[in-house]
Order: sequence, then structure tokens, then C-alpha cells
Amino acid sequence: EAQVTQNPRYLITVTGKKLTVTCSQNMNHEYMSWYRQDPGLGLRQIYYSMNVEVTDKGDVPEGYKVSRKEKRNFPLILESPSPNQTSLYFCASSRRGAGELFFGEGSRLTVL
Amino acid sequence: GNSVTQMEGPVTLSEEAFLTINCTYTATGYPSLFWYVQYPGEGLQLLLKATKADDKGSNKGFEATYRKETTSFHLEKGSVQVSDSAVYFCALGATGGGNKLTFGTGTQLKVEL
Repeated sequence: EAQVTQNPRYLITVTGKKLTVTCSQNMNHEYMSWYRQDPGLGLRQIYYSMNVEVTDKGDVPEGYKVSRKEKRNFPLILESPSPNQTSLYFCASSRRGAGELFFGEGSRLTVL
Repeated sequence: GNSVTQMEGPVTLSEEAFLTINCTYTATGYPSLFWYVQYPGEGLQLLLKATKADDKGSNKGFEATYRKETTSFHLEKGSVQVSDSAVYFCALGATGGGNKLTFGTGTQLKVEL
């Protein structure tokens, strides 16, 4: 089954404790992206990757890092989480230039 | 830059009512347009899309027409069901191709018996 898998689905952590949200896709897509969803703001892009070892900032990259060492994986790293990073995070992937995105089920992060 | 404006929710309808969710956009060029749906506790799923002016996207009884003259892509359904209760997002593709989607803020739909 074609899918985008994120882990963990739910996480409660404390300010400053480094965490990683993993994302993996099995569709051989070149493009992968992270979004955060906040009430009244819709989805905003954090980072994206056009291919292995190619990453770039989206609209709200501050406080986040990513890496793309393998085509299927695109982890989101919060080096020192803060309460304003409490949000629902989505990973998405697509073929290059396709437009249509395939989304994971989301990771709800709470930073205390 | 590109932007999307959707009507605010929540929208509450009775089953079998007619649905319209308004979406307008600002963009340079002629981007593709999308509607995504998010059911409770799930990720977003593509509902329908249109790639050029006057195209009509349709799926599961939902329709939307790409109107260049009014820069709109309104979502419609003739008869909603309780199972249509979800959050609906209008999205704008990158001009000239590419992968980035710009999303509206989402409209929550509640359908009651």
C-alpha cells in the first residue's frame, strides 16, 4: 500500500529536549516536505526536499532542521523545542513537478 | 506572493443540503488548484484538482471549477451526507509547475441528521 508514515503520532516533551519526528514514504517520490497545522493558520511549509541531499527552507523554518540522506526518509529535527512549536505536523511527498501531495497521518507535538 | 482565501467555518448543514465552500486565490501565472479533505484524526487527502482555466474537478459528488476571471475555485456538492463532515482545504500549486502547495486556512463542515 502506498503510504507516508510518520512517528511518533503523539508526543509530549519539555522545552529544550531535542526530538526527531521521522517520515518515510514507499512511493519512490523525489519531493518531500514538512508542514505544520495551527488553528486559523492552515498549513504552513517548514522545509522541503527536491531529492537526496537537497533541502531548502519553506515559509516557517526557524527552530527546525531536516536531512535527506535517503530518498524514502525525511526526518524533522527540533534541536531545542519551545512551546510555540506545539502543533500538528504533517509530512508529505510527491513525484517531482506533480503538484499533488500525499500526506502522512500527522504527529501531534506538545512542548511544555 | 501566492495566497489562498477560504470562507471561515464552521459550516453546519443538514443532511441532503447543498454545500458551497468559497475559495479565491492570488497568483502570478496559471497554477493548478486543489481541494483537500481532512477527516478527524487523519492526514489530508486529495479530493479533486483542476490544472487549467475552465477545468472542472470532480470526485465523490464534489465539484469545483477553475474560474480564471474571478480567480476562484469554489467547492460544491448537491447533497451532503453525515460522512462528509471534515475540514476542507483549498490549495494553490506552484506557478510554472513545481511541488509546493499554498493552503488556505481550512473550512470545517459539520453535517447533521
